[in-house]
Amino acid sequence: GENVEQHPSTLSVQEGDSAVIKCTYSDSASNYFPWYKQELGKRPQLIIDIRSNVGEKKDQRIAVTLNKTAKHFSLHITETQPEDSAVYFCAARPGGGNKLTFGTGTQLKVEL
Amino acid sequence: DAGVTQSPTHLIKTRGQHVTLRCSPISGHKSVSWYQQVLGQGPQFIFQYYEKEERGRGNFPDRFSARQFPNYSSELNVNALLLGDSALYLCASSPGPNTEAFFGQGTRLTVV
Repeated sequence: GENVEQHPSTLSVQEGDSAVIKCTYSDSASNYFPWYKQELGKRPQLIIDIRSNVGEKKDQRIAVTLNKTAKHFSLHITETQPEDSAVYFCAARPGGGNKLTFGTGTQLKVEL
Repeated sequence: DAGVTQSPTHLIKTRGQHVTLRCSPISGHKSVSWYQQVLGQGPQFIFQYYEKEERGRGNFPDRFSARQFPNYSSELNVNALLLGDSALYLCASSPGPNTEAFFGQGTRLTVV
């Protein structure tokens, strides 16, 4: 089955700096890669996703890149703000499949 | 995603008991998936239902079962509860089986 590894497990940045979280996946059949943000005690919130026919996708301060050959994808947050502090999860799903396999999460802390 | 509702929000059960968790998807969504999230980890896939049929099952014992009703709401049942079943149970709503997944707030189950 699919295995998703996520790094780093914790990340501290200064407000205004950029943050990058990286994930690798094992199943070459995976073709959908969402990212979720989960604040303490709240639901995972879908913030951006990418499909394997696209190499990069951007939404305001958030971007995701995908390298199918290397089987890795990354989340980039620019101009970080304190409200970006949360746990971020990457996930992967095979084409035609229904199961999201999640990474272990990255605790992002944006310091003033 | 604000439209996914789960009940109850918190639950305390004793070992050996059974529990029923409920989920109402976003209006118009026909697919519901269940995930278990243990503290400090990413969500783990339990089941997916689409149009009242099971479309996927994760690596969970037969003590876990689910169903989807004609109005697309869903129940997750867990029998013979173990201490290790203590977790946040998340319901994800999707328009279809291979589309974006939006999570509810979850049910925090504590088994004592």
